[in-house]
This record gives sequence, structure tokens and C-alpha cells, in this order.
Amino acid sequence: DAGVIQSPRHEVTEMGQEVTLRCKPISGHDYLFWYRQTMMRGLELLIYFNNNVPIDDSGMPEDRFSAKMPNASFSTLKIQPSEPRDSAVYFCASSLTSGGYNEQFFGPGTRLTVL
Amino acid sequence: KQEVTQIPAALSVPEGENLVLNCSFTDSAIYNLQWFRQDPGKGLTSLLLIQSSQREQTSGRLNASLDKSSGRSTLYIAASQPGDSATYLCAVDGNTPLVFGKGTRLSVIA
Repeated sequence: DAGVIQSPRHEVTEMGQEVTLRCKPISGHDYLFWYRQTMMRGLELLIYFNNNVPIDDSGMPEDRFSAKMPNASFSTLKIQPSEPRDSAVYFCASSLTSGGYNEQFFGPGTRLTVL
Repeated sequence: KQEVTQIPAALSVPEGENLVLNCSFTDSAIYNLQWFRQDPGKGLTSLLLIQSSQREQTSGRLNASLDKSSGRSTLYIAASQPGDSATYLCAVDGNTPLVFGKGTRLSVIA
């Protein structure tokens, strides 16, 4: 298995532009998670899906952020309009189940820089 | 709200030394606790997962323990090597999936 795939790996954009991050989870995993990592705040959960349905989006910082999962093999995280404070590494992770043995597998991340 | 704390924030040890990394959490109602490794500029690699009913897990030179009642976990690394240099994060899975600590940055000096 190729693991969790994220694209792009690096994104540099200017303030006000729309940014779309993409994730392909491990095949067969029912849960998909989006995280953001910054030096100041560490790793924070933004939103997670179960069977393509958003379960908890309380970590999404503002209305500028939105996430979709149109099918079991693809998810997007969109920021519109982007701001410099959105600069961070965004990780996608997936897991087979929840609770007890919920081992999450992480993608390599997308490093976003907003100028 | 679950909070996860890792101490120390950074640690430097000579090669060959045994070491312990600490993790504490405020809400003991957890499903499991996971330890991850993160190399600079890279993603997270899962090292060990301890279910709430377990006390410890071992993988090679790594041993993780869990004391749910006191809200503590430790990661023991035996005979450390320069290749162990990385940031180690613990995360607890409970009412909110995977709340992370800020990590311990480990440097093993040859």
C-alpha cells in the first residue's frame, strides 16, 4: 500500500488567493483526519470524516476553511481567501476504525506558505 | 478539554544511554495512547499504540507504558543511537480523536 498521499508537498501563494490541499487515504480506511502543525500551537485537529461524512469540524479555525470528502478515496481542504497566519504544515491521516485500536497513519504533509 | 503535556521539551544524550520521555494527560477517559516519531520536515511515524486496557507495549528497543488513572505515559528508549534523533510526540484518543502533546526533541550525540 502506498500509504496516505498528499498533494502538493509544498505550496507558496499570496495572501487572498485560494488554496486547495488534497489527500488520498489508505484504501479501506473509514476515517480521515486533517491536522495543522505550527511551532506555536503544535499539531491541531481541524476536522475528521467517517465514511465520507464530516463528524467534527470544531477545530476549523474560521469560515475561510472548508473540507470535503466526495468519495472514500479523496478529500480536500480549502482555504479561501488565504492569509499569512495560515502558513503551516497540513497533515492528512486515516484509520481503519475508531476507539480501541485506532492507529492513525499520516501522510507526508503539505507545507503551506502564504506571503 | 483534554490537554497533553510532554516533558522535557528537548533532551540531549550521549549514544548508548537509556532514556525516558514523559507524557501526561488531563482526562483519563481515553481509548488509547499513541507515540509517534517525527523527523525534521517529515510526517509522523507511529511507534507504539497502547489501548486503554493495556499497561505497556514493546517494539524493539522501545517500551511504552500507560497509567491511565494517573494520566501518565512514558516512552523508554534503550541503548540510544544517533538515528533515534527526532521529535517524539504522544497523542491520546478519547472523546476528541488524537490530542497531541508538543513533543520532545531528542538529540543523541555520537
